[in-house]
Parts: sequence; C-alpha cells; structure tokens
Amino acid sequence: SAVISQKPSRDICQRGTSLTIQCQVDSQVTMMFWYRQQPGQSLTLIATANQGSEATYESGFVIDKFPISRPNLTFSTLTVSNMSPEDSSIYLCSVVQGGAGYTFGSGTRLTVV
Amino acid sequence: AQSVTQPDIHITVSEGASLELRCNYSYGATPYLFWYVQSPGQGLQLLLKYFSGDTLVQGIKGFEAEFKRSQSSFNLRKPSVHWSDAAEYFCAVGAPNSGYALNFGKGTSLLVTP
Repeated sequence: SAVISQKPSRDICQRGTSLTIQCQVDSQVTMMFWYRQQPGQSLTLIATANQGSEATYESGFVIDKFPISRPNLTFSTLTVSNMSPEDSSIYLCSVVQGGAGYTFGSGTRLTVV
Repeated sequence: AQSVTQPDIHITVSEGASLELRCNYSYGATPYLFWYVQSPGQGLQLLLKYFSGDTLVQGIKGFEAEFKRSQSSFNLRKPSVHWSDAAEYFCAVGAPNSGYALNFGKGTSLLVTP
C-alpha cells in the first residue's frame, strides 16, 4: 500500500494567518481526500482532490477557506486560510488504491491562537 | 442520504469480558467497510476491512467483524477485552458511487475497567 508523508506534523499559528499542509505519496494515486478531525470528534471529509480536475468540496467547506492544490499524481496541498481558533483541528490526507485500500497520512495537528 | 451510525457513544466493559461495537450504514449498494481505532493523541490504526467475500472478517489485535447485508451492519467484536483496548473506535464506509471517500461514524469511546 502507499506511504504518505504529511507535513508539518503540528503547528501553532496566529489567527488571521494561513497554513499550507503538504502530502507526498510514494506512488501515483488518482484519488486523494482531505479530512478534518475537530477535538473530540470524528473525521469529516473536507474535499476530494483528483489530479486533473478541480477539488470537490463537501457541504460546509469552501475553496476560499480551504484551497487545495493537486499538481500531479503524488502530491497535494491543503491551505487553511485566515485561520481562527475554530480551525484548531487535526487535518489528514488519505489516498485509495484499488485492492490495497485506503492509506492515511499521520496528520497535522493545528492550534490557532 | 448515505450515512454511518454508531449508536453507542460510550461503552464500558470489564477487562476479560466480551465486546461488541455496533455500526449501521445506509448506502445504495454493498460498500467498503472499515473499523479504525484511535488512542488519545495518536493517529488512526486500521483494525480490519471488508470489500467482498467472506462476511466474517478477522483483524488485528484479536478483533473480528461480521458484515450482515440484511441488517446493513458491520459490528466489531472481541471475545476478551484487554485494558490496552481502551480507545476511540470508528466505523467507516466508502463506495464507488460516493467517489470512494470514506464516511466516518461519530465513534464509540471504549472504557475498560479492572
């Protein structure tokens, strides 16, 4: 199965600033997903980022707040823009590869102060 | 609408007792089914998965799950719980007709008492 390198692993940011999270996959994958896990909550899908097309956002998430880049089949970024304390969460990327199933990055623990 | 339900928010079991965590889903066709475990401050760990075939799936750490199509359920079981099993458990469901993205249940928090 794929191996994902997600960076940064954690960060503390000032409100009003932006943070870009990177996910590098060791093999080419078509489908990549970004999730948010708020404190004490389950994982919620932010968007699907397939290479060659615009990211598809779930209800409650907008491109201006969470712009996503997917320049090739092994890399993607999620930016959390104009951050507020409510954005403090763990952000995870994930890929799916046919019979190999799903792989998750180790997550980015974001604290906004 | 597609949904995943974990009816039990918290479950407390005694060490050595059996465990069953419930998961029900609402999807148009047989989806892909997963159970993940997350310890405090840790990442997700895959316990087991079901794509097709034998409806009784064996996973790591002595866990198993049974897919019951008629009940749209994928319950997780363990015959004898260890204190180290205390964690948050998530059921997740994916399907081709939902773009393969996983939809997670709200989780069940397991407490193990001596």
